[in-house]
Amino acid sequence: EAGVTQFPSHSVIEKGQTVTLRCDPISGHDNLYWYRRVMGKEIKFLLHFVKESKQDESGMPNNRFLAERTGGTYSTLKVQPAELEDSGVYFCASSQDFREFPGMGQFFGPGTRLTVL
Amino acid sequence: LAKTTQPISMDSYEGQEVNITCSHNNIATNDYITWYQQFPSQGPRFIIQGYKTKVTNEVASLFIPADRKSSTLSLPRVSLSDTAVYYCLVGDIVDTNAGKSTFGDGTTLTVKP
Repeated sequence: EAGVTQFPSHSVIEKGQTVTLRCDPISGHDNLYWYRRVMGKEIKFLLHFVKESKQDESGMPNNRFLAERTGGTYSTLKVQPAELEDSGVYFCASSQDFREFPGMGQFFGPGTRLTVL
Repeated sequence: LAKTTQPISMDSYEGQEVNITCSHNNIATNDYITWYQQFPSQGPRFIIQGYKTKVTNEVASLFIPADRKSSTLSLPRVSLSDTAVYYCLVGDIVDTNAGKSTFGDGTTLTVKP
């Protein structure tokens, strides 16, 4: 079974440009999460989808970040316009409903390393 | 969300049992304890989750004393490939599974030959 995949693995852009990150969750996982780690800091929650609906987006830093999950499958995270402080590693994770499958945790992708120059 | 404290780093040798303790003095009644492992250039990987006493799976055991103010992740007979950062997360089952638990700085385990 394929794991969570993320594209691209690396992205280098200039300040002011737009970047779109993609996450493909494990098939059948209704829950999809975005996290990020900026340099020297801990991994921080950004938002949570249940199918196509945003369950919680309290971690989104500002309105330059837009996440979508069309049809409840893959998700995109767009940063527009990118700023220097957006540099870091963006992780995506997916999971099944913990009520049906307790004690399974989340499955993380390898991350996308974003560098804003 | 309960704050956790873990050692910054630990060293061990191949074949030894490793115990990593996490302190969470302010753990709430509804909070669960979850451990993740992370290798360089990879996302975190779920190891184990528990609420009280002892939980064991094929890769680790989690020991939680009665007061639940700490927990210990036990890795039996570590190998070089267990060198990684280990995170202890504490949060209620909804927040934990909604990704709201804090990862913190984790414990960097280095296994030596």
